[in-house]
Amino acid sequence: SAVISQKPSRDICQRGTSLTIQCQVDSQVTMMFWYRQQPGQSLTLIATANQGSEATYESGFVIDKFPISRPNLTFSTLTVSNMSPEDSSIYLCSVAAAQETQYFGPGTRLLVL
Amino acid sequence: AQSVSQHNHHVILSEAASLELGCNYSYGGTVNLFWYVQYPGQHLQLLLKYFSGDPLVKGIKGFEAEFIKSKFSFNLRKPSVQWSDTAEYFCAVNTAGANNLFFGTGTRLTVIP
Repeated sequence: SAVISQKPSRDICQRGTSLTIQCQVDSQVTMMFWYRQQPGQSLTLIATANQGSEATYESGFVIDKFPISRPNLTFSTLTVSNMSPEDSSIYLCSVAAAQETQYFGPGTRLLVL
Repeated sequence: AQSVSQHNHHVILSEAASLELGCNYSYGGTVNLFWYVQYPGQHLQLLLKYFSGDPLVKGIKGFEAEFIKSKFSFNLRKPSVQWSDTAEYFCAVNTAGANNLFFGTGTRLTVIP
């Protein structure tokens, strides 16, 4: 399985600010995804990060709030924009070869005050 | 839309007890099924997966799961748990050919030495 790293591992932010989370994988992968895990809840897919084109967002998530970049096959960023306390969550990236098992990064724990 | 149900929110067992965690999903087509585990302070790891073939799959650390198509279930089992199995366990499903993983709400397992 791929080795996935995320930066930062945690952060405390003020409301109204934005945070960009980075996801790096040690090998080229076809698929990269971003998930959110809110306190006491399960993981919810935010979007699929597509290389060279706009991300594919799930219902309830929009590009203005969660802009995503994927400049190459090993790197992606997720920005949480104009944050509010409701954005306090763990944000995880995952990677997969096409239609195969997803492997998850260590997550970024975000607290918005 | 897909949904995944894990009915046990918190299970407490003594060491050497047998474990069965329930997972049911709602989708009538072909599915891929997964169990992930998150040990305290660690990131999500794949425990086992079912794509096709023998419905009884074996994973790491002595875990196994059985896919029963008629019951839309994929229950996780272990004959004798250890203290080190204390973790949160997530069942996940995606439809064959798709990438979106749908997660259950997780079951927290506490094993008492």
